[in-house]
Amino acid sequence: KQEVTQIPAALSVPEGENLVLNCSFTDSAIYNLQWFRQDPGKGLTSLLLIQSSQREQTSGRLNASLDKSSGRSTLYIAASQPGDSATYLCAVRQQQRGSTLGRLYFGRGTQLTVWP
Amino acid sequence: DAMVIQNPRYQVTQFGKPVTLSCSQTLNHNVMYWYQQKSSQAPKLLFHYYDKDFNNEADTPDNFQSRRPNTSFCFLDIRSPGLGDAAMYLCATSRRLAGSGYNEQFFGPGTRLTVL
Repeated sequence: KQEVTQIPAALSVPEGENLVLNCSFTDSAIYNLQWFRQDPGKGLTSLLLIQSSQREQTSGRLNASLDKSSGRSTLYIAASQPGDSATYLCAVRQQQRGSTLGRLYFGRGTQLTVWP
Repeated sequence: DAMVIQNPRYQVTQFGKPVTLSCSQTLNHNVMYWYQQKSSQAPKLLFHYYDKDFNNEADTPDNFQSRRPNTSFCFLDIRSPGLGDAAMYLCATSRRLAGSGYNEQFFGPGTRLTVL
């Protein structure tokens, strides 16, 4: 069974710092990997999707990398702002396997606080 | 804008009183998912539909049922809510692509269920 781990569980930094959030997964037979943001009491907002054949994706100040063979992904946040404060979740989608086709396996998230 | 909509955003019910949560989507995605998320935990998949094909997770309690009357709508029915069912319920959609792939998974804002 796929296990997804995110380190650190919580992070508190001053505004302006560059950050790296880590995600690791145990089964490298993934179809893609998705990073989400979740604000308190809200749903999940998709930030970046990386296909298994890709090495990285960028959106604004966010950059996500994927090393499928080693089971790792990182989310890099440049020049962090207080508005970036949220929980960031990593999720991997397994390749086709019967009834679990299309299922996402989530990590527990990194809770980020950026203070002014 | 195309989106995933959940109603209500907040639902309060009494112990044992049936409740229905609603999800609709304008993305025309063929796959819809229901997740349960408790505080500081990763979302837990309850079931998903690929078109009208229903896929139940092995550990989803019988107390939880789902209906998908058409492509746009999906319902989560909790037949006899217990205190342990208090959680955020998240609906998500995705498109299954040709060749067994999937695109991104998009989430609604969630319904916060309180059981008194």
